[in-house]
Amino acid sequence: NAGVTQTPKFQVLKTGQSMTLQCAQDMNHNSMYWYRQDPGMGLRLIYYSASEGTTDKGEVPNGYNVSRLNKREFSLRLESAAPSQTSVYFCASRDDLAANVLTFGAGSRLTVL
Amino acid sequence: AQTVTQSQPEMSVQEAETVTLSCTYDTSESDYYLFWYKQPPSRQMILVIRQEAYKQQNATENRFSVNFQKAAKSFSLKISDSQLGDAAMYFCALLSGTYKYIFGTGTRLKVLA
Repeated sequence: NAGVTQTPKFQVLKTGQSMTLQCAQDMNHNSMYWYRQDPGMGLRLIYYSASEGTTDKGEVPNGYNVSRLNKREFSLRLESAAPSQTSVYFCASRDDLAANVLTFGAGSRLTVL
Repeated sequence: AQTVTQSQPEMSVQEAETVTLSCTYDTSESDYYLFWYKQPPSRQMILVIRQEAYKQQNATENRFSVNFQKAAKSFSLKISDSQLGDAAMYFCALLSGTYKYIFGTGTRLKVLA
């Protein structure tokens, strides 16, 4: 039972490069989320997807795009990375039938030079 | 606007003692959920305990319990018989509405042997 799987776990980019963070869950959850975690700021919502085919902006969406490819997968893309996007990124999915508990992936540490 | 405030950036507790982490929140909704998540050095976010606002009884999970004061909008976490493995960042979170979770900035708990 893998839960939520994120790849890659670590990535170093140069300013202006693009990359995609991949996320997949095997729990048949409808809702999926992308957060970023910065020191002293907790977790901030970038985008979420309530169901396959739908996505909505969160608190800090600028500079990011997302794609809900199917029920299992929810990817986060940085088209032109900036140093301000250096952060730890978490994907999560929600069990809508179990008191709204979020299950998180292990996180991806991204450094933009 | 919904907010979550954790006013203690860092706390320390002696092994086997009890510690209480504070969390206050604000929401205009009458129906909402509150959570405590633990983030050990491994970076994995782990659910500790959850509370539905409509339930007056405080949630308990083994050594972890909450003091939910709805009128005061307070949701503190009590850890009894603290263990070295309890050392982590602890995040308070609010789900108010359908999809958006708001996280506090976290409290780092140190457990002293």
